[in-house]
Amino acid sequence: QKEVEQDPGPLSVPEGAIVSLNCTYSNSAFQYFMWYRQYSRKGPELLMYTYSSGNKEDGRFTAQVDKSSKYISLFIRDSQPSDSATYLCAMKSSNTGKLIFGQGTTLQVKP
Amino acid sequence: EAQVTQNPRYLITVTGKKLTVTCSQNMNHEYMSWYRQDPGLGLRQIYYSMNVEVTDKGDVPEGYKVSRKEKRNFPLILESPSPNQTSLYFCASSSSDRDYGYTFGSGTRLTVV
Repeated sequence: QKEVEQDPGPLSVPEGAIVSLNCTYSNSAFQYFMWYRQYSRKGPELLMYTYSSGNKEDGRFTAQVDKSSKYISLFIRDSQPSDSATYLCAMKSSNTGKLIFGQGTTLQVKP
Repeated sequence: EAQVTQNPRYLITVTGKKLTVTCSQNMNHEYMSWYRQDPGLGLRQIYYSMNVEVTDKGDVPEGYKVSRKEKRNFPLILESPSPNQTSLYFCASSSSDRDYGYTFGSGTRLTVV
């Protein structure tokens, strides 16, 4: 079993839709949770990060962490064609520098 | 502009021919790391470096070498490349191993025939 599981998709939605991207994990030591966005032919870029449980909002993006269920989510409101990319979740525990990535979910937002 | 620069962007080589992929960052970051990205497997760490002359293995180090003689540079060396090393490679850096966000390079697509 992989430490971090992420549905690879692809996920196709119409412009304006609410998108939900999810990851599950097995290591209860993870405390730092991140979402990266990767456009085609580019490296991943940090989109959002959260510490421990709770929600964090940044514009159209909301990150949620449920440590009791070992489940994290990224919500995108009013999705735009420019949101079309691969979204990778990533997480780490507090006592190591190792970042563990999910497989990535490919999202396509159609005009 | 703060960035991580990898070269080359694309490389096709033959089995057994030694190659080096360069990585350089201009942010004075202490932590640097190499990943490979394969379909269905996501990003897997090859090697990382906490600082100059300090390197350690990641999850998939076999067939790779690294060095960290200067803070800004972290080259990835394939002494005898094999077809199973065909992949998309990314170099990343951060201010420390406890930083949240890594800055990634644009990637090197390597094909070994």
